Amino acid sequence: QKEVEQDPGPLSVPEGAIVSLNCTYSNSAFQYFMWYRQYSRKGPELLMYTYSSGNKEDGRFTAQVDKSSKYISLFIRDSQPSDSATYLCAMIRGTGANSKLTFGKGITLSVRP
Amino acid sequence: DTAVSQTPKYLVTQMGNDKSIKCEQNLGHDTMYWYKQDSKKFLKIMFSYNNKELIINETVPNRFSPKSPDKAHLNLHINSLELGDSAVYFCASSQVGGSTDTQYFGPGTRLTVL
Repeated sequence: QKEVEQDPGPLSVPEGAIVSLNCTYSNSAFQYFMWYRQYSRKGPELLMYTYSSGNKEDGRFTAQVDKSSKYISLFIRDSQPSDSATYLCAMIRGTGANSKLTFGKGITLSVRP
Repeated sequence: DTAVSQTPKYLVTQMGNDKSIKCEQNLGHDTMYWYKQDSKKFLKIMFSYNNKELIINETVPNRFSPKSPDKAHLNLHINSLELGDSAVYFCASSQVGGSTDTQYFGPGTRLTVL
């Protein structure tokens, strides 16, 4: 079993839809949880970051972490064509210079106008 | 200003050749990384350097040798290139001990081995 599992894609939704992206993890040592967005032929960019269970909201994006279930989600409200990209969940374990970021496989989202 | 830059952006080469990819960050970060993203988009860490010192080496073949001349640069040299080395290589940097340890990624180097 991989340390971080991400729901397979691709995912295609109409503009304005609510999108739910999910990841599970097996290692309790993960302390920080992130979502990266990667546009085609670009590097990943950090979208959301959280370290505690609960919800964190930033505009149309909400990151949710449930440490007891080892489950994280990213919700996108009122999705736009510009949201079309690959979304990668990522988690950090360890501290300082030994901290290590582990990514999920990513899911490609397409928002149709 | 580009925060993390890589050169070249594209690299096409023959099997058996030796090639280098360069990375520079102007964020003042003390830690730099190399990641490999395969054709299925899976992004996996290869190396990390903190203050020019190798910290993480994820069982990468010896043909891959990172070099960090200073905190702002981390280069990746690959010897005897193989077909399976074809991938996109991303450099990233972070400030360890900062508020988030957020890693900032470069634009990637698309390596094609023929």
